[in-house]
Amino acid sequence: GAVVSQHPSRVICKSGTSVKIECRSLDFQATTMFWYRQFPKQSLMLMATSNEGSKATYEQGVEKDKFLINHASLTLSTLTVTSAHPEDSSFYICSARGGPLTSGGAYNEQFFGPGTRLTVL
Amino acid sequence: AQRVTQPEKLLSVFKGAPVELKCNYSYSGSPELFWYVQYSRQRLQLLLRHISRESIKGFTADLNKGETSFHLKKPFAQEEDSAMYYCALSTGGGNKLTFGTGTQLKVEL
Repeated sequence: GAVVSQHPSRVICKSGTSVKIECRSLDFQATTMFWYRQFPKQSLMLMATSNEGSKATYEQGVEKDKFLINHASLTLSTLTVTSAHPEDSSFYICSARGGPLTSGGAYNEQFFGPGTRLTVL
Repeated sequence: AQRVTQPEKLLSVFKGAPVELKCNYSYSGSPELFWYVQYSRQRLQLLLRHISRESIKGFTADLNKGETSFHLKKPFAQEEDSAMYYCALSTGGGNKLTFGTGTQLKVEL
């Protein structure tokens, strides 16, 4: 249980276009989702935190108009990179925290997706 | 602001040798510390957390508040331990995680 998927696994786009990345909790309800960015051989940097039905909270230095986050349901969050540029090329990872679909309670950890490799030409 | 430091990018040991992956943190409050592991071509997964005080896959980690450290240890390395290990800190309140830069552990035969 507690599986998080991301789609697509990799995407290549032209500079100036927008790209949407989906993050889904497959077998639990994700009340909170986190979006991270990872540059090659570097650490994961938290970009934003989103709670279902609320606006995302962005970390300092992350442009909210550039990286649009939507968390409209308990199983889906999306990250849209708008007007992408080559410097946006990176590995984007989501994680989710929540609880079982059919009963109360909460999982006391974040579950990570496999990541999405974005390349902007 | 909180910070997590993992001084070693790569740690290479022989099978059966002891392993210690170093992690130091800076945070003025009471943090919660974690170790995450990423095996080749797999996603990041939680290995252990300091509040659980448990041993997972033979690994243990003790929070030393005086030295602000949370080193990961295993007495006898196994080949399957080869992976990327990340130390992470949570300051609570939504459980935001701050990650270290990671240490690649390579266990050689």
